[in-house]
Amino acid sequence: EVQLVESGGGLVQPGRSLKLSCAASGFTFSDYNMAWVRQVSKKGLEWVATIIYDGTTTYYRDSVKGRFTISRDNAKSTLYLQMDSLRSEDTATYYCATLWELYFDYWGQGVMVTVSS
Amino acid sequence: DIQMTQSPASLSASLGETVTIECLASEDIYSNLAWYQQKPGKSPQLLIYDASSLQDGVPSRFSGSESGTQYSLEINSLQSEDAVTYFCQQHHDYPPTFGGGTKLELK
Repeated sequence: EVQLVESGGGLVQPGRSLKLSCAASGFTFSDYNMAWVRQVSKKGLEWVATIIYDGTTTYYRDSVKGRFTISRDNAKSTLYLQMDSLRSEDTATYYCATLWELYFDYWGQGVMVTVSS
Repeated sequence: DIQMTQSPASLSASLGETVTIECLASEDIYSNLAWYQQKPGKSPQLLIYDASSLQDGVPSRFSGSESGTQYSLEINSLQSEDAVTYFCQQHHDYPPTFGGGTKLELK
């Protein structure tokens, strides 16, 4: 059974940093492209970043380019999202997900990030 | 970016009814359209990809179709557990973009 478990969320002040992790199990992690998707208050969904299976290529939405970094450790079956220079508009629930073509076939349970002073 | 306009934002229907949710793409996405279901307090779950292909384990009362840049999700014989929120998403090009969601409620 595919399992994705996010951690690392919390309350952080604007301008500070936070690093999210996603522990994967139940599938061959190193074979899959992975992504982070966020959701503001159970409303709209927004793709954040993608990393391909071997970590050599990444993609970001414009609003997080230069501030967020997606990475992976295939030996640990773990996905990461380093978030720097956080803004109030980054407040959301962040999900990690497996990416097949460009759709998200398995999702984690999500982790909340609140950016507020 | 490709814009996905989903309608209606909310919908009320009775048990056993057939309901349809629609998504309009701002340009041709060549059938690269996915549908997700999200239950309260849970993460989204993939229902359909490539406009009409059912994900493993999804009940056959769910189906997807297309007409030009208009995509539809149909739910036949509505069950109580179907009264949740649905999202469409284009998976044709970066950035992948979602519709605004449809909240389905029981009458």
